[in-house]
Amino acid sequence: DIVMTQSPDSLAVSLGERASINCKSSQTILHNSNNKNHLAWYQQKPGQPPKLLIYWASTRESGVPDRFSGSGSGTDFTLTINSLQAEDVAVYYCQQYYFTPPTFGQGTKLEIK
Amino acid sequence: EVQLLESGGGLVQPGGSLRLSCAASGLTFSRYAMSWVRQAPGKGLEWVSGISGSGENTFYADSVRGRFTISRDNSKSTLYLHMNSLKAEDTAVYYCTKSPGDHGEFWDNYFDPWGQGTLVTVSS
Repeated sequence: DIVMTQSPDSLAVSLGERASINCKSSQTILHNSNNKNHLAWYQQKPGQPPKLLIYWASTRESGVPDRFSGSGSGTDFTLTINSLQAEDVAVYYCQQYYFTPPTFGQGTKLEIK
Repeated sequence: EVQLLESGGGLVQPGGSLRLSCAASGLTFSRYAMSWVRQAPGKGLEWVSGISGSGENTFYADSVRGRFTISRDNSKSTLYLHMNSLKAEDTAVYYCTKSPGDHGEFWDNYFDPWGQGTLVTVSS
């Protein structure tokens, strides 16, 4: 199975500042056939199910604020949240869908400093 | 709007069985692959099982293969997870979720939306 490793495990950022979360896959998840990275990002707030933020590594889901962006290719990816808002406090997960089984990172807890 | 509503969770003894259901609305159910993803208390997300739109192809995590069975009734727009030989480590919130492509095949499996989840507790 592909192992997804996120860093850091937790992060505290001041309101209005930028937060960056990294995700590394144990194998490339860039598919030659479509030149797309099979990576998604989710946000999970306490007591709620996960919410899809980004897929294909950089495509923002409809309705997701544009302060959320994804980047990276191959094995290394980043979720960036610009101008952090109080409502962004959550746990963030990356997930690869290149191989079955789909696998998730361990999560990164984002808090306000 | 697609909505997914899980049910069937509860307290069960080790070695016992349980059947989870997920009622879907707002979509042509048979066109979409579906999955179960679980989250143990205070832990991360673990994909458990997936099924193609037709129900012909099923997939399992190693941790549940041989004990869990995924199925669907497209006439009722309902997804199921039959869980046997339950262990304490199966204790989790179980989420029902949908893959994006309307081709029905189990590929490109990122997940949206997710149901609210149903809690399964395995304990004596």
